Amino acid sequence: GESVGLHLPTLSVQEGDNSIINCAYSNSASDYFIWYKQESGKGPQFIIDIRSNMDKRQGQRVTVLLNKTVKHLSLQIAATQPGDSAVYFCAEEAAGNKLTFGGGTRVLVKP
Amino acid sequence: EAGVAQSPRYKIIEKRQSVAFWCNPISGHATLYWYQQILGQGPKLLIQFQNNGVVDDSQLPKDRFSAERLKGVDSTLKIQPAKLEDSAVYLCASSLTGGGGTSYEQYFGPGTRLTVT
Repeated sequence: GESVGLHLPTLSVQEGDNSIINCAYSNSASDYFIWYKQESGKGPQFIIDIRSNMDKRQGQRVTVLLNKTVKHLSLQIAATQPGDSAVYFCAEEAAGNKLTFGGGTRVLVKP
Repeated sequence: EAGVAQSPRYKIIEKRQSVAFWCNPISGHATLYWYQQILGQGPKLLIQFQNNGVVDDSQLPKDRFSAERLKGVDSTLKIQPAKLEDSAVYLCASSLTGGGGTSYEQYFGPGTRLTVT
């Protein structure tokens, strides 16, 4: 399948280590944020979301942090595995379920 | 549950030719979206349908792009005539339809990779 991350910032992480991916969003009025994972040749896949009335949300091996003061999101992946290698996008939602995606970060997991 | 289906998966055309992409959303999903994803970038929304009506097409280049969802289920996106800068992956997504501020997860198809030469 085609690569979606040829010119994206890349995070190289050792298998078993924790990964942190950062994202700055643009619209201070956005109240819903989502992290997506995109593997080569596939469409984006939902990982975790967070609303603006929260500053932290945890899932299975993933945590999203939201700092509204500086309009910053981060995704933390615990004990990174080879299957976590992909491109990760943050997205912010405006009214009407309209998503605006950020530029993406490619994560490469080294065995 | 079957996911969002798209076809074709790959298409190569020459500039000034026309091309059409097809999308079948998840059953029961009233909202359908088309996105354009240029290599190395995040997806950009082109058009959003709710049932067979257009909700948002503000970023659709209407001089060459058109989309329809006649029966509120399947959708087609057409480009005529194509330009070199249209080379991208075209993603279709669908979701349930929320109201009163409810947000629903968007499910994406695998995309159609278009190369314009």
